[in-house]
Amino acid sequence: DVKVTQSSRYLVKRTGEKVFLECVQDMDHENMFWYRQDPGLGLRLIYFSYDVKMKEKGDIPEGYSVSREKKERFSLILESASTNQTSMYLCASSSYKSRQGVNTIYFGEGSWLTVV
Amino acid sequence: QKEVEQNSGPLSVPEGAIASLNCTYSDRVSQSFFWYRQYSGKSPELIMSIYSNGDKEDGRFTAQLNKASQYVSLLIRDSQPSDSATYLCAESDFGNEKLTFGTGTRLTIIP
Repeated sequence: DVKVTQSSRYLVKRTGEKVFLECVQDMDHENMFWYRQDPGLGLRLIYFSYDVKMKEKGDIPEGYSVSREKKERFSLILESASTNQTSMYLCASSSYKSRQGVNTIYFGEGSWLTVV
Repeated sequence: QKEVEQNSGPLSVPEGAIASLNCTYSDRVSQSFFWYRQYSGKSPELIMSIYSNGDKEDGRFTAQLNKASQYVSLLIRDSQPSDSATYLCAESDFGNEKLTFGTGTRLTIIP
């Protein structure tokens, strides 16, 4: 089974703190994603990486950065946490399926971040 | 910008009945469609994917795709209380690594 592991399930941080959310996948997937999920807004893509050291902005990248130094690890960084970044953060990974030309995305368990 | 629209619900269905979940999408080049189930406080899990017009069946689940109408649906037969969850519809273009999600429909199965 594909396993996507997010290191922190629940975090409480203060406004202005630098926050790191870590994600590791064990299936040698090329693609990794960070989403946030908020009530009524669904899942919104923050950043996406299709290879080591490669990244692409998603729909809501402001206030976030990412790092992918190794294929299995994708980190989300909040440079200066703000209360409007209180949310559930979901990491995901996928691999291009050449037969169908389609990705299947697998999610981690989620990280609940509260910024006070 | 791509949009995937779902009725947020809640949708209440008696146990044993058929639950019907609907989704429309705005981008005509969308090729692939996915249904994810998400229990409260948990992460989404993939339950169905569909790429071609028509029906695709997997156990109690049937996904239906109509590209001309830009419409995809999920039918759950013999609904069980364990089916109570939020169902997320998602789409992607051919070869596109990213999915666009709808906001989800909350389904409640009433015993």
